[in-house]
Amino acid sequence: QSALTQPPSASGSPGQSVAISCTGSSTDVGGYNYVSWYQQYPGKAPKLIIYEVNKRPSGVPDRFSGSKSGNTASLTVSGLQAEDEADYYCSSYGGNDNFRIFGGGTKLTVL
Amino acid sequence: QITLKESGPTLVKPTQTLTLTCTFSGFSLTTSGVGVGWIRQPPGKALEWLALIYWDDDKRFSPSLKSRLTLTKDTSKNQVFLTMTNMDPVDTATYYCSLGPTFDFWGQGTLVTVSS
Repeated sequence: QSALTQPPSASGSPGQSVAISCTGSSTDVGGYNYVSWYQQYPGKAPKLIIYEVNKRPSGVPDRFSGSKSGNTASLTVSGLQAEDEADYYCSSYGGNDNFRIFGGGTKLTVL
Repeated sequence: QITLKESGPTLVKPTQTLTLTCTFSGFSLTTSGVGVGWIRQPPGKALEWLALIYWDDDKRFSPSLKSRLTLTKDTSKNQVFLTMTNMDPVDTATYYCSLGPTFDFWGQGTLVTVSS
């Protein structure tokens, strides 16, 4: 069971856009439209911000968007705000024998 | 309002068995499609999915931990129980339960330390 690959860090200035990638394989990210993204502040529980590749739960700002191409999913945060500074994790369904796989996490810094 | 809360020991010794309880409200584990999952996070490290139990008692386990995990539920008490055998210091982590299968809502987590 290999974790999905995310860059350890990403950064951007307020107002800018930043994209975070999540690379898997044809048996997880590439094989299903069940990619989720979670935001986590230090010492807090993760919060779902994107599910099924590009859907936003109620209450999540539309500055957060998701996409997928082949075996790589991406989270884009537009109009960066200071409050977006957090850790971000992707997750994918991996079939019946590997129900959920998480990425290694990306620390987003707002400069 | 959906809430979940984890409970259990904060300290276990190596080789012991850990049992954690997830007590939830605001949804029913008898509703079709609903599940409760467990995810852990070692200090300073990434999330790791452990297991999930569905409304119909179907269960999914992480392939790397399957032999050590047991999942049960008590729908009358809105509780799910995770048992992990043969605990090791590398299992030290914050353990979360979450509404599945998308993990829309999470508990606050409980830190379990494995040490003699």
